[in-house]
Amino acid sequence: AQSVSQHNHHVILSEAASLELGCNYSYGGTVNLFWYVQYPGQHLQLLLKYFSGDPLVKGIKGFEAEFIKSKFSFNLRKPSVQWSDTAEYFCAVKDTGRRALTFGSGTRLQVQP
Amino acid sequence: GAGVSQTPSNKVTEKGKYVELRCDPISGHTALYWYRQSLGQGPEFLIYFQGTGAADDSGLPNDRFFAVRPEGSVSTLKIQRTERGDSAVYLCASSSGLAGGLGSGANVLTFGAGSRLTVL
Repeated sequence: AQSVSQHNHHVILSEAASLELGCNYSYGGTVNLFWYVQYPGQHLQLLLKYFSGDPLVKGIKGFEAEFIKSKFSFNLRKPSVQWSDTAEYFCAVKDTGRRALTFGSGTRLQVQP
Repeated sequence: GAGVSQTPSNKVTEKGKYVELRCDPISGHTALYWYRQSLGQGPEFLIYFQGTGAADDSGLPNDRFFAVRPEGSVSTLKIQRTERGDSAVYLCASSSGLAGGLGSGANVLTFGAGSRLTVL
């Protein structure tokens, strides 16, 4: 069965610091990859997605993610975080085996002003 | 509607009671998903509907859990004989079209705010 690992459970950064959140998945075939974000008190929202093509994907609010097939990874990055980026971030994978997305356990990001 | 609507937003019940949670998806979305999110965890898949039928119910933890979508729109998740371990946020999501093939926009899920269930 597909599994998704997010190794950083809780990250604390100061404003303007650079961010990289790790995501690794287990399925060896073709996948679609997603990052969702949950701001405090809000519902899950799509941040960005990768289907095919350029492995560097740009999303909303200055976020980007890079798909590295050989490493089964889809890490999320942002060059300079803001206090408003404080949220929980979830990586998710869709493979050919099932209809639903498989989510990682999430990374809680706290940005200090 | 404009978004995915879930009711109730909070439900407190006693062990052994029956609970129903409702999801109203985005108008026109044929695919509907239920997930469960426990504290400190990511969403865990429960069941997926395409239209009125449950296309994949492999995530339901046991036979106390059941879901319906009789008219292909609103769905109800039903939990019988609730246990303390059922306490979680139950999330509903919907998407357009037929989920399955990769690269399809139908794989982009829009989530509701969730129903927080607490079993005492």
